[in-house]
Amino acid sequence: AQKITQTQPGMFVQEKEAVTLDCTYDTSDQSYGLFWYKQPSSGEMIFLIYQGSYDEQNATEGRYSLNFQKARKSANLVISASQLGDSAMYFCAMREGRGGTASKLTFGTGTRLQVTL
Amino acid sequence: EPEVTQTPSHQVTQMGQEVILRCVPISNHLYFYWYRQILGQKVEFLVSFYNNEISEKSEIFDDQFSVERPDGSNFTLKIRSTKLEDSAMYFCARHGTVRGYTFGSGTRLTVV
Repeated sequence: AQKITQTQPGMFVQEKEAVTLDCTYDTSDQSYGLFWYKQPSSGEMIFLIYQGSYDEQNATEGRYSLNFQKARKSANLVISASQLGDSAMYFCAMREGRGGTASKLTFGTGTRLQVTL
Repeated sequence: EPEVTQTPSHQVTQMGQEVILRCVPISNHLYFYWYRQILGQKVEFLVSFYNNEISEKSEIFDDQFSVERPDGSNFTLKIRSTKLEDSAMYFCARHGTVRGYTFGSGTRLTVV
């Protein structure tokens, strides 16, 4: 089974609208971390937001928020007030085990977001 | 947090040649990682490096690959005899805080 599943290969959103990018995960660990990264056409991987498995509040970072539903094993990224510069590939990733260890990240296949006028 | 710097940004090499990809300079970090992203595909884990030793490696990381930290700061990935299918973006990353892994800007490797 895939550890990280992103079912939306591509999404369109109008400028200034909100958009939700889906991510579901699979792990038997009690302690894990979920991450979202943005990859613009230039290729770099930009960290957006993090949610720990024991965090009770949904993570927020500016216009980004993470809708964490632990029982459903989903960690959807919500981008509010979309901007043209948000057009990029978005990857969901998971670290299994405690933070502070050398655990690797496992990535999903990504969602390409296109923001339109 | 300081950025992760990778060199070169783009390398073209002939099949069968050795290449060395570098993260420079990094100090006072213990955890490092190499990831690979074949064009248009997902990011795949290659190897993690902790305290100057390999901590974990994926099945992709076969005998053609090696990593080292030769002078305590540079962190290198060597591919001994490149194949066409090694063409990809290679990312170095460090584990800086519990929250985030910081990725370098990547090296785009093209094998011809």
